[in-house]
Amino acid sequence: GAVVSQHPSRVICKSGTSVKIECRSLDFQATTMFWYRQFPKQSLMLMATSNEGSKATYEQGVEKDKFLINHASLTLSTLTVTSAHPEDSSFYICSARTGNNEQYFGPGTRLTVT
Amino acid sequence: GQQLNQSPQSMFIQEGEDVSMNCTSSSIFNTWLWYKQDPGEGPVLLIALYKAGELTSNGRLTAQFGITRKDSFLNISASIPSDVGIYFCAGHWASGTYKYIFGTGTRLKVLA
Repeated sequence: GAVVSQHPSRVICKSGTSVKIECRSLDFQATTMFWYRQFPKQSLMLMATSNEGSKATYEQGVEKDKFLINHASLTLSTLTVTSAHPEDSSFYICSARTGNNEQYFGPGTRLTVT
Repeated sequence: GQQLNQSPQSMFIQEGEDVSMNCTSSSIFNTWLWYKQDPGEGPVLLIALYKAGELTSNGRLTAQFGITRKDSFLNISASIPSDVGIYFCAGHWASGTYKYIFGTGTRLKVLA
């Protein structure tokens, strides 16, 4: 149980375009999901908390207009990187919270902006 | 953002040896999670700890929630090559939020 999927696993886009990443909880409902960013050989940095049916809560320093989050259902949250630039290239990982406050992670999305 | 102090940063060990790593914080935590991450993948939950003093095992892995609620450790017994990876601790520290704070990671390399 507690499986989280992410799509796509890898994406390459041109500078200035937008990219959408999906995070799904496959066998449980998640009112709260989280989006992280991870640079090589570093820990996970929380970007935002995604709440079903309400606005996301962004961490300090994360531009909410650049990283749009939508949590329209109890099993799906999406992260859209708008007007992507090379510095946005990174490994983006989502997680979903279970009822006993455990977090299960998706497999991650490798974004490369050229 | 805020991070936990995790040590050691990295370690090389021989296959069959036991491994120990820990996380410490200046804040009190009410839940600790331990994860393992392989390259290019998301972290996988290994053990969850919910109360001070709790000792929990998952196969060859054992983790404990420190009595002071400011630390936790993870032990791996009789290490094998597939234990290679990065281990992260994560602590839940505040009510009113579901956020976890992640440790800096321990990179484990096992020599066959």
